Amino acid sequence: AQRVTQPEKLLSVFKGAPVELKCNYSYSGSPELFWYVQYSRQRLQLLLRHISRESIKGFTADLNKGETSFHLKKPFAQEEDSAMYYCAPPCWEGFNKFYFGSGTKLNVKP
Amino acid sequence: NAGVTQTPKFQVLKTGQSMTLQCAQDMNHEYMSWYRQDPGMGLRLIHYSVGAGITDQGEVPNGYNVSRSTTEDFPLRLLSAAPSQTSVYFCASRPPGTDTQYFGPGTRLTVL
Repeated sequence: AQRVTQPEKLLSVFKGAPVELKCNYSYSGSPELFWYVQYSRQRLQLLLRHISRESIKGFTADLNKGETSFHLKKPFAQEEDSAMYYCAPPCWEGFNKFYFGSGTKLNVKP
Repeated sequence: NAGVTQTPKFQVLKTGQSMTLQCAQDMNHEYMSWYRQDPGMGLRLIHYSVGAGITDQGEVPNGYNVSRSTTEDFPLRLLSAAPSQTSVYFCASRPPGTDTQYFGPGTRLTVL
């Protein structure tokens, strides 16, 4: 099974501080990973996917095959970044059972 | 498109009661799934379906049934509610040929 782990349940930082949300994966092959975000009282939505190498809302995530990690980073946190963040493998055709990480709650303090 | 919709938004049940959580999507997605979200446990897959008439178990299927009679609908049935089923339930669907899931707004269920 494609599994990911998020070691931090809660991460609190002050506004303007750098943020790193950790995610490690434990499956072989060519890993592809996603970050989903859930803002308060909203549905989960895709934040970014590593294959796109994009920066969304100032967040980036680099796949480190040596460390089997896909940490989400932002240099300067904003209060509106406070949310629940989930790391996840992709939902591929033929790979229908997959497991989200346990999630990290980011709290950005003013 | 309305996307993925779920009803009800909130529900309170007594232990032993049964009910159905509704999920519908109007995007013609073949793949649909149900998750429960619990503090510290993240999202756990309950059941999923790869198309009408085809369903399979996920990580935590016990106590839940599903059926998929149409592409649009994927209801989740709680046969005999237990306090351990108190959770937020999310339905999701995936467009064909992609690897991204789209989520509904969730149903917050409390079992007393």
